[in-house]
Amino acid sequence: EVQLVESGGGLVQPGGSLRLSCAASGFTFNNYWMTWVRQAPGKGLEWVASIKQDGSEKYYVDSVKGRFTISRDNAKDSLYLQMNSLRAEDTAVYYCARGGWWFEYWGQGTPVTVSS
Amino acid sequence: DIVMTQTPLSSPVTLGQPASISCRSSQSLVDSGGNTYLSWLQQRPGQPPRLLIYKISNRISGVPDRFSGSGAGTDFTLKISRVEAEDVGVYYCMQATQFPRSFGQGTKLEIK
Repeated sequence: EVQLVESGGGLVQPGGSLRLSCAASGFTFNNYWMTWVRQAPGKGLEWVASIKQDGSEKYYVDSVKGRFTISRDNAKDSLYLQMNSLRAEDTAVYYCARGGWWFEYWGQGTPVTVSS
Repeated sequence: DIVMTQTPLSSPVTLGQPASISCRSSQSLVDSGGNTYLSWLQQRPGQPPRLLIYKISNRISGVPDRFSGSGAGTDFTLKISRVEAEDVGVYYCMQATQFPRSFGQGTKLEIK
């Protein structure tokens, strides 16, 4: 059974940092692109970033470029999102998803709140 | 960047009746290889999104066959042949032909 379990969310002050993790199981992790998608409270879905199987290609939405870094550790079947210089508008539930062109499996999400 | 526009944003439907959601992209979603990366997702209240359909019309295993996708180029449609109570939620189209990926605003399906 495919499972994606996010962790690392929480309350952080504006300008602070957080590192989100996504532990994958039930499939061969290094065969798939992986993606982060977020959803602000009461809002729709927003694609954040995607990473190729070997980490050689990474793509970001403009609003997080230079502040967020997507990475993966294939030996640990894990996906990460390092978030720096956090802003109030980054407040959202962050989901990891399997895939780069369609997102067949999703985690339950981890909430991030940026507030003083 | 490609903008995805869904209509309607809200759709009250009677149980057992059909429902249809439209999605239009600001530019063609056909890539250089002839593939069209348009998918549909469902998000039930309090749940993460769930992929229903990818590449316009390919239904994910386990998705009821009352869900179908169609379209080409810039215009796409999700149809539910007979709405059931479990179909309540928000439906999103998403393009993955180009980065940045982009979602439609979402269409809220509710029962009359």
